[in-house]
Amino acid sequence: EVQLVESGGGLVQPGASLKLSCVASGFTFSDYWMSWVRQTPGKTMEWIGDIKYDGSYTNYAPSLTNRFTISRDNAKSTLYLQMSNVRSEDTATYYCGRYYGYNYWYFDFWGPGTMVTVSS
Amino acid sequence: ETTVTQSPASLSMAVGEKVSISCKTSTDIDDDMNWYQQKSGEAPKLLISEGNTLRPGVPSRFSSSGYGTDFVFTINNVVLGDEGIYYCQQSENVPLTFGSGTKLEIK
Repeated sequence: EVQLVESGGGLVQPGASLKLSCVASGFTFSDYWMSWVRQTPGKTMEWIGDIKYDGSYTNYAPSLTNRFTISRDNAKSTLYLQMSNVRSEDTATYYCGRYYGYNYWYFDFWGPGTMVTVSS
Repeated sequence: ETTVTQSPASLSMAVGEKVSISCKTSTDIDDDMNWYQQKSGEAPKLLISEGNTLRPGVPSRFSSSGYGTDFVFTINNVVLGDEGIYYCQQSENVPLTFGSGTKLEIK
């Protein structure tokens, strides 16, 4: 059974950094491109970016390129999202998602999400 | 960036009625539109993928149509368990973009 489980969320002060993790199981993690998506408290869904199966290539939403970094450790079947200089508008639930396959850029599995609240 | 305009924002339907949700894109995306259901407190679930393809295990009451810039998602004979928020997502262009969501309430 495919499972994705995010962790690392919580309350963080503006300007701080935070690293989220997503542990995958039930499939060969190193075969899949992976992605992060966030959902604001108002329920808006925003694609953050993605990473190639071997970690050699990343894509980001233009508005987030300079502050967010996606990485992965295939030996640990874990996806990461490094967030820096966080702002109040980064308050959201963060989901990791698995793409169905290369060139099929939709999500066939999602984790339950981890909530990040940016507030002083 | 491809903008996805989803409507309506909310719907209140009776059991057995038909639901229709529209998504319009600002660029031609062929048939690269996907539809998700999100129930309260849960992650989104993929219902329909590119080419109006119903995912395995999803009831045939769910369907979609469309090509280019205009897409419609339909639920026939809606049931109580269909309550939630429905999103469309285009997968033709990066950045991937979502519609704003349609909240479905069953009366």
